[in-house]
Amino acid sequence: DAGVIQSPRHEVTEMGQEVTLRCKPISGHDYLFWYRQTMMRGLELLIYFNNNVPIDDSGMPEDRFSAKMPNASFSTLKIQPSEPRDSAVYFCASRPTSGSSGELFFGEGSRLTVL
Amino acid sequence: KNQVEQSPQSLIILEGKNCTLQCNYTVSPFSNLRWYKQDTGRGPVSLTIMTFSENTKSNGRYTATLDADTKQSSLHITASQLSDSASYICVVSAARGSYIPTFGRGTSLIVHP
Repeated sequence: DAGVIQSPRHEVTEMGQEVTLRCKPISGHDYLFWYRQTMMRGLELLIYFNNNVPIDDSGMPEDRFSAKMPNASFSTLKIQPSEPRDSAVYFCASRPTSGSSGELFFGEGSRLTVL
Repeated sequence: KNQVEQSPQSLIILEGKNCTLQCNYTVSPFSNLRWYKQDTGRGPVSLTIMTFSENTKSNGRYTATLDADTKQSSLHITASQLSDSASYICVVSAARGSYIPTFGRGTSLIVHP
């Protein structure tokens, strides 16, 4: 299995531009998570999906952030318009429905820099 | 509110030395605790999982302990190697709902030659 695949690995953009981050979870995993990681706050849960349905988006910082999961093999996280404080590493993770074990499998992350 | 606190925030040791990282949590009801290792520029990877009935578990040079009464865990690294330089993140899952985990902020370990 190729693991969780994220793209792009690096993104540099200017303030006000739209940013779209992409994620392909591990096949057969029913849960998909989006996290943001910064030095100050560590890993923060933004939103998670179960069977393509958003379950909890309370971690999404503002209306500028949106996430979709149109099918079991693809998800996007969009920021529009982007701001310098959005600069961070964004991780996607997936997990099978396995009860209490709950190991998360992370992608390599997308490092976003907003100038 | 579920919380996971880790200490120290950062640690520098010489190659070959041992070290211990700490994790305190308030997640309830407790399901399991995982230690993840995150290499620079990579995503976190699970090292070990501890359930309520387990006190100690080893994975090579890594040994995790759990005291469910005091809600504390430690990760001990023996005979450190340069490749141990990474961030170590303590993650605790509650035994309810979808077992969504609570993350600590991690301990950054640097091993010098």
